[in-house]
Amino acid sequence: DVKVTQSSRYLVKRTGEKVFLECVQDMDHENMFWYRQDPGLGLRLIYFSYDVKMKEKGDIPEGYSVSREKKERFSLILESASTNQTSMYLCASSPPVTGPQETQYFGPGTRLLVL
Amino acid sequence: AQSVAQPEDQVNVAEGNPLTVKCTYSVSGNPYLFWYVQYPNRGLQFLLKYITGDNLVKGSYGFEAEFNKSQTSFHLKKPSALVSDSALYFCAVRENNAGNMLTFGGGTRLMVKP
Repeated sequence: DVKVTQSSRYLVKRTGEKVFLECVQDMDHENMFWYRQDPGLGLRLIYFSYDVKMKEKGDIPEGYSVSREKKERFSLILESASTNQTSMYLCASSPPVTGPQETQYFGPGTRLLVL
Repeated sequence: AQSVAQPEDQVNVAEGNPLTVKCTYSVSGNPYLFWYVQYPNRGLQFLLKYITGDNLVKGSYGFEAEFNKSQTSFHLKKPSALVSDSALYFCAVRENNAGNMLTFGGGTRLMVKP
């Protein structure tokens, strides 16, 4: 089974702090994604990566950056946390799109509270 | 640009009754459609997908979904709901030329009461 793990389930940070959210997958997937989930808004894509050291902006990249130094690990960075970044953060991975059948596999999520 | 709408924030159904969770989509090309479920304090789990072929797709836990091209809908259904089906359900769409980029709906909370 594919396993996607996230470093923390719950995190409380203060405004202005630098925050690192870590995601690791064990299936040698090329693609990795970071989403934030907010009630009524569903999942919104922050950043994704299709290879080591490669990154692409998603729909809401402002206030975030990412790092992918190794294939299995994709980090989301909040350079200076703000209260409007309080949310649930979900990481996902998937194999390359060799066909339409490929789906994404999700981690358990990190619930971040910024005070 | 692709988009997904889930018109109901919450669906309530009694255990044993049939359930439907609605989803409509908008894409410029052929759609690939997905349903995911999220149980409390868990990540999303894949339920089923429509790629091509039969409009009725069967998935995990007894769920199925019907693709209707003319109505641009992909409603999730189950003939007999269980209390354990109570969760948050997300519909997602991917255009056939959009790599592996999914666009998600806002989610529908399903509450199944005993």
